[in-house]
Amino acid sequence: EAGVTQFPSHSVIEKGQTVTLRCDPISGHDNLYWYRRVMGKEIKFLLHFVKESKQDESGMPNNRFLAERTGGTYSTLKVQPAELEDSGVYFCASSQLGQQETQYFGPGTRLLVL
Amino acid sequence: AQSVTQPDIHITVSEGASLELRCNYSYGATPYLFWYVQSPGQGLQLLLKYFSGDTLVQGIKGFEAEFKRSQSSFNLRKPSVHWSDAAEYFCAVDIYTDKLIFGTGTRLQVFP
Repeated sequence: EAGVTQFPSHSVIEKGQTVTLRCDPISGHDNLYWYRRVMGKEIKFLLHFVKESKQDESGMPNNRFLAERTGGTYSTLKVQPAELEDSGVYFCASSQLGQQETQYFGPGTRLLVL
Repeated sequence: AQSVTQPDIHITVSEGASLELRCNYSYGATPYLFWYVQSPGQGLQLLLKYFSGDTLVQGIKGFEAEFKRSQSSFNLRKPSVHWSDAAEYFCAVDIYTDKLIFGTGTRLQVFP
């Protein structure tokens, strides 16, 4: 069974540009989460989808970040316009309904904003 | 403030030595507790978890962790470290909100 996949693995962009990150959860997992690790800091929660609905977006830093999960399958996280402080590793995780406490993580997307 | 603390940023051990990574949390109730590992170039892999019951939890790769309520701790241990255990280790909790709260991580270096 395939795990959580994320694309791209790395992205280098200039300040002010737009970047879109993609996450494909484990098949059948209705819960999907985004987390972020800024350099030297802890991994922090961004938001949680249940199917296509946003269950909790309390961790989204500001309105430059937009997450979508159309159809309840894969999810995208768009940063527009990107700022220097957005650099970090963006992790996606998924879990089954009823077992949401056990989350499986993808390899992450390493974003560098110059 | 509510938090997860991993006091050791970087630990170095010799291959074959024992290992203990510390984790403390500060929440009123006992949360769900996890240890994750991130090897170079890899994603976060779940090592083990504690929800309730036996306070000594066995995980993958020969790791175990012990929950101590009186100390609000969930320390990770391995009796004999292998070079392939070199990675970054994260303690995390879930305070019943379906989102994980992580410590800052402990980077483990293993010398031959």
